[in-house]
Amino acid sequence: DAGITQSPRHKVTETGTPVTLRCHQTENHRYMYWYRQDPGHGLRLIHYSYGVKDTDKGEVSDGYSVSRSKTEDFLLTLESATSSQTSVYFCAISGSGSVTYEQYFGPGTRLTVT
Amino acid sequence: QKEVEQDPGPLSVPEGAIVSLNCTYSNSAFQYFMWYRQYSRKGPELLMYTYSSGNKEDGRFTAQVDKSSKYISLFIRDSQPSDSATYLCAMSDASGTYKYIFGTGTRLKVLA
Repeated sequence: DAGITQSPRHKVTETGTPVTLRCHQTENHRYMYWYRQDPGHGLRLIHYSYGVKDTDKGEVSDGYSVSRSKTEDFLLTLESATSSQTSVYFCAISGSGSVTYEQYFGPGTRLTVT
Repeated sequence: QKEVEQDPGPLSVPEGAIVSLNCTYSNSAFQYFMWYRQYSRKGPELLMYTYSSGNKEDGRFTAQVDKSSKYISLFIRDSQPSDSATYLCAMSDASGTYKYIFGTGTRLKVLA
């Protein structure tokens, strides 16, 4: 998984509670991304970061916020979880060395909102 | 219409067959093209990546990009049961953000 870890790997939470997912990389890549994967929709970009404290919205950002205070960590927060946010969440990294556009994924976090 | 279209399958082939997986796209600005393999309950694994047009070969895998037709392909030679997985295509423009648009994936089954 290219030096990418995600925590927790599984989480069950109740509607209305805040949830934070963590992505940690040891590769010193500049770009980090959060995706969600749902049947019939594939992978959709939630937010991405192009440097420490530099973030931007993706395709499905409503209800999510992110923070990146260190190169190695990218946090995804669901401010008030809803059942529609039940999904598998993947972190990805890119932007290192001579080939910057390769994108590598973490193992995923399976989130269930009841 | 989605920006990236991919047949969901499943595609079933006998062991040893040549497999052809395809994606079509509508955005002519796409320059970076990726193929990923994803096993059940795992993260996507980068298989092949290409910039702009042309072919790229790596072992049993060949990636082709036809920008004039807005069509990309992944060929797997001498397919093995271990190749059974979902294959995702992904594309990005040259804006420098490397924000990829993914296909929904094709599920491949290689039968022993």
